Amino acid sequence: AQKITQTQPGMFVQEKEAVTLDCTYDTSDPSYGLFWYKQPSSGEMIFLIYQGSYDQQNATEGRYSLNFQKARKSANLVISASQLGDSAMYFCAMREGYNTNAGKSTFGDGTTLTVKP
Amino acid sequence: KAGVTQTPRYLIKTRGQQVTLSCSPISGHRSVSWYQQTPGQGLQFLFEYFSETQRNKGNFPGRFSGRQFSNSRSEMNVSTLELGDSALYLCASSYPTGARGRLSKATTDTQYFGPGTRLTVL
Repeated sequence: AQKITQTQPGMFVQEKEAVTLDCTYDTSDPSYGLFWYKQPSSGEMIFLIYQGSYDQQNATEGRYSLNFQKARKSANLVISASQLGDSAMYFCAMREGYNTNAGKSTFGDGTTLTVKP
Repeated sequence: KAGVTQTPRYLIKTRGQQVTLSCSPISGHRSVSWYQQTPGQGLQFLFEYFSETQRNKGNFPGRFSGRQFSNSRSEMNVSTLELGDSALYLCASSYPTGARGRLSKATTDTQYFGPGTRLTVL
């Protein structure tokens, strides 16, 4: 079974509007971290936001917020006030089992976001 | 603070050749991981190094190998290149898990990526 599922291959949003990118995950480890990365066409993977499994509050970083619903195992990324520069591929990722999975993040298939002017 | 650097950025090789890619982590980061990204398979974990030791390995053939030096810089090597090895190779660095003290869990758990090396095998 896939550990990270991103069901939206592509999304469109109008400039200045908000958009939600979906991510569900699967793990039996009580301690894990969830991440969102942005990958522009240049290829570099840019870290956006982190949510720890024990964090009580949803993470926020500027225009990015993470809607963390632990019971549903979902970690959706919300981008507010979209900008043209937000057009990119977005990946949801998870790190778990730190002792047995050193240095390994598991990634979803990504969502391509296109911001329309 | 300088980010993760990878060299070279682009490589073109022919089948059967070998290639070495280099990665310099963020200063202070001692864990270096390598990933392969292809359109068909997505992002796949290759291996992770910490203190010059490979601690974890993904499901790749033995043609893929790596090492880490005492300054935490890492190299990965692919021998006997195949067409299917064409990919973007990404390196990521982080603090080793368990490195706490004043560092937040967000800081220690997050992997930061370099710009990648795009390898084309002809």
